[in-house]
Amino acid sequence: DQQVKQNSPSLSVQEGRISILNCDYTNSMFDYFLWYKKYPAEGPTFLISISSIKDKNEDGRFTVFLNKSAKHLSLHIVPSQPGDSAVYFCAANRGKTSYDKVIFGPGTSLSVIP
Amino acid sequence: DVKVTQSSRYLVKRTGEKVFLECVQDMDHENMFWYRQDPGLGLRLIYFSYDVKMKEKGDIPEGYSVSREKKERFSLILESASTNQTSMYLCASLLAGVGDEQYFGPGTRLTVT
Repeated sequence: DQQVKQNSPSLSVQEGRISILNCDYTNSMFDYFLWYKKYPAEGPTFLISISSIKDKNEDGRFTVFLNKSAKHLSLHIVPSQPGDSAVYFCAANRGKTSYDKVIFGPGTSLSVIP
Repeated sequence: DVKVTQSSRYLVKRTGEKVFLECVQDMDHENMFWYRQDPGLGLRLIYFSYDVKMKEKGDIPEGYSVSREKKERFSLILESASTNQTSMYLCASLLAGVGDEQYFGPGTRLTVT
């Protein structure tokens, strides 16, 4: 039973448009969320995170939104660039010191079309 | 810049063989992790270590063991490889007390025939 779900295995977006990647979780104990990006033949790299005390965190073209009541978060990329084409993993854990219980979603493969 | 390296990018082993996957990080991180990545399942934690000679089971430790004799090195051992252990194996490290972001190695694609 997956505690972190990414229901879209893949997404295609035109260059310059907004990419929205969604993530749902089931465990209400999760209170810290992260997004990782993974290129083929490379390990995942950290992208952005958000604590449950916030509902939005922004870093350049990347914004993560958190809706605790719906147990839903989303990653917005604006504007999308071809170099953003990668697999994006949503991850959740129970606080900043509970790194041993980080749960990853299955990933969404984003293709940005030039 | 943190660097996490893994001993092999691709590995092919036979069923029943003992397999060693090595991971080295160069940033003096206390915590190290081994994950496997399978399609549709994301990354699943096999084992982690928060100090030299310390280890804790993750979510799927069965069929695996680990060794951490030095701070910079964390080894994953498949005592008797089986075909269902064919997967991408990812090592990661994290500096305790400084956020939650993990630094990953490039991965080892293991095929057990």
